[in-house]
Amino acid sequence: GIQVEQSPPDLILQEGANSTLRCNFSDSVNNLQWFHQNPWGQLINLFYIPSGTKQNGRLSATTVATERYSLLYISSSQTTDSGVYFCAVFYNQGGKLIFGQGTELSVKP
Amino acid sequence: GAVVSQHPSWVICKSGTSVKIECRSLDFQATTMFWYRQFPKQSLMLMATSNEGSKATYEQGVEKDKFLINHASLTLSTLTVTSAHPEDSSFYICSATPKIGLGGFSGANVLTFGAGSRLTVL
Repeated sequence: GIQVEQSPPDLILQEGANSTLRCNFSDSVNNLQWFHQNPWGQLINLFYIPSGTKQNGRLSATTVATERYSLLYISSSQTTDSGVYFCAVFYNQGGKLIFGQGTELSVKP
Repeated sequence: GAVVSQHPSWVICKSGTSVKIECRSLDFQATTMFWYRQFPKQSLMLMATSNEGSKATYEQGVEKDKFLINHASLTLSTLTVTSAHPEDSSFYICSATPKIGLGGFSGANVLTFGAGSRLTVL
């Protein structure tokens, strides 16, 4: 089956700092989503980005499908950005969305 | 936008009892819904794919007789944890995507997740 690896596993930032989260996947995919899981467990869909670049406020994401990776950029981080960030890919041969292990982000005031 | 509602958001039960969790798509029809389980500090693991009007497809290692899934309508899927034990304590999350035409779920669809249900078995 497909492997989805995220890095780094943990990240601690000072408020205002920028960060880049990475997601590598081992096979071709036709769907990639980035999620933020808040402390209460709710998964918030950040981006649907099978390829290309998208931006939403302080967040942006880039997926290079041919090289099998995606990046999530967080600029001017805020304490409310804390939580776990997951990437998930739709594995066509499996017909399901597979999650990476997540990056736990902690933004300190 | 698409909204998925889960109920209850948390439940505590005694060992040996059964617990039912509901997943509803509020403003769209969903041919396919997915059930995930998440243990503390871990990722989401897919348990099963729920298909409206047919049997659910379970992932390897998931006991279908223990985790009963019913997708009786295009807006409701239920997960029943039968004879729950402390090791079943976990965070259960469902997801769904709008039905598009006559086709089922495809990778081009964006999945929306419910808020999750936290189960504690004493």
